[in-house]
Amino acid sequence: QVQLKESGPGLVQPSQTLSLTCTVSGLSLTSNSVSWIRQPPGKGLEWMGVIWSNGGTDYNSAIKSRLSISRDTSKSQVFLKMNSLQTEDTAMYFCARNQNNNFRYWGQGVMVTVSS
Amino acid sequence: DIVLTQSPATLSVTPGESVSLSCRASQGISTSIHWYQQKSNESPRLLIKFASQSISGIPSRFSGSGSGTDFTLSINRVESEDFSVYYCQQSYSLPLTFGSGTKLEIK
Repeated sequence: QVQLKESGPGLVQPSQTLSLTCTVSGLSLTSNSVSWIRQPPGKGLEWMGVIWSNGGTDYNSAIKSRLSISRDTSKSQVFLKMNSLQTEDTAMYFCARNQNNNFRYWGQGVMVTVSS
Repeated sequence: DIVLTQSPATLSVTPGESVSLSCRASQGISTSIHWYQQKSNESPRLLIKFASQSISGIPSRFSGSGSGTDFTLSINRVESEDFSVYYCQQSYSLPLTFGSGTKLEIK
């Protein structure tokens, strides 16, 4: 069955770079797209960006200058890197399978706190 | 960016009642709207795709309708497990955007 699992540090210092990994199983990254979505505590969902099955990427313009999404198809992993983190980047970060730009399969999420 | 406005922000109902949740888009988006349920401390769950298409494994009491700018998620006879937050999401154009959510609470 399709599974996604996020991993990464729970605490990041302000101005530093966040690196997260999404490990997938039950699907191939060469024929499936994966998005990153985040949710600040008590708030709504924000789509961050996508890596398409062909390896191309699209990002939310609000954070495009700070964000990079990449993948290693041999390891079934998708990576998120976001620099210049601020306290407002504190959130639960999810990866999700992007099929026709909706999301049936989600990871459990990883909570990232930006604090010194 | 396409803005999705959900109303009401909170809806208080008694189990057994039937409810309708609204999602309005800032421009026409055909039927490119999807609905999610999110329970506390869980990942969102896809309930309805493309306005009215059902999802395998989702109870039949959930249904969706609408096109253009106005969309509705209906829950027929709310059950106790349905009390949670509901989000709409558009896939008409990038960036993909979500509504701010409707919290369904017990009256």
